[in-house]
Amino acid sequence: ETGVTQTPRHLVMGMTNKKSLKCEQHLGHNAMYWYKQSAKKPLELMFVYNFKEQTENNSVPSRFSPECPNSSHLFLHLHTLQPEDSALYLCASSEAPAMNTEAFFGQGTRLTVV
Amino acid sequence: QKEVEQNSGPLSVPEGAIASLNCTYSDRVSQSFFWYRQYSGKSPELIMSIYSNGDKEDGRFTAQLNKASQYVSLLIRDSQPSDSATYLCAVDSGGYNKLIFGAGTRLAVHP
Repeated sequence: ETGVTQTPRHLVMGMTNKKSLKCEQHLGHNAMYWYKQSAKKPLELMFVYNFKEQTENNSVPSRFSPECPNSSHLFLHLHTLQPEDSALYLCASSEAPAMNTEAFFGQGTRLTVV
Repeated sequence: QKEVEQNSGPLSVPEGAIASLNCTYSDRVSQSFFWYRQYSGKSPELIMSIYSNGDKEDGRFTAQLNKASQYVSLLIRDSQPSDSATYLCAVDSGGYNKLIFGAGTRLAVHP
């Protein structure tokens, strides 16, 4: 496989459920990101990991918990979400940290909270 | 608040015409600028990056950057219906690929 792969592609969960989103990159990159894309809103940066260390938490509620066990894998653990958390969650990776580096996105997980 | 502004559109152009997409940004120290294309229901796809003032051409695409005016644009020559998508402008805020995105401009190319 090549590129950035996200699973699952679609997820429906209740507000009391716990679920996890998975991202894997096969590009040899050292930085990974979680973005949220809600309808009619810009992409919002949630978390940044460089060399497995979290370097950015963009004021994300604690019901979203990221995990980066190595430079190739990134998880987003979800618990007690709200309906307004329904969105497309996108993972990206890049060579980093450095300026002038390009980020590549996975296909995303379409999350619906009911 | 660091912002990236785009006209939401839709921008409608006939097939074969030049489509011009514009973007302004608020953070004067930004150094890296990107254009992504996003088809409906799909993830963003990188199509152009630009780091220096001036023009950068890649096939039918030309990115233009003017840091003094805090303005970046994307020109698509010989527009095709397959170019119909939302185009996202992204600006690297902080120098470590903390990309700030605009809301996107929807482009519709009609035959």
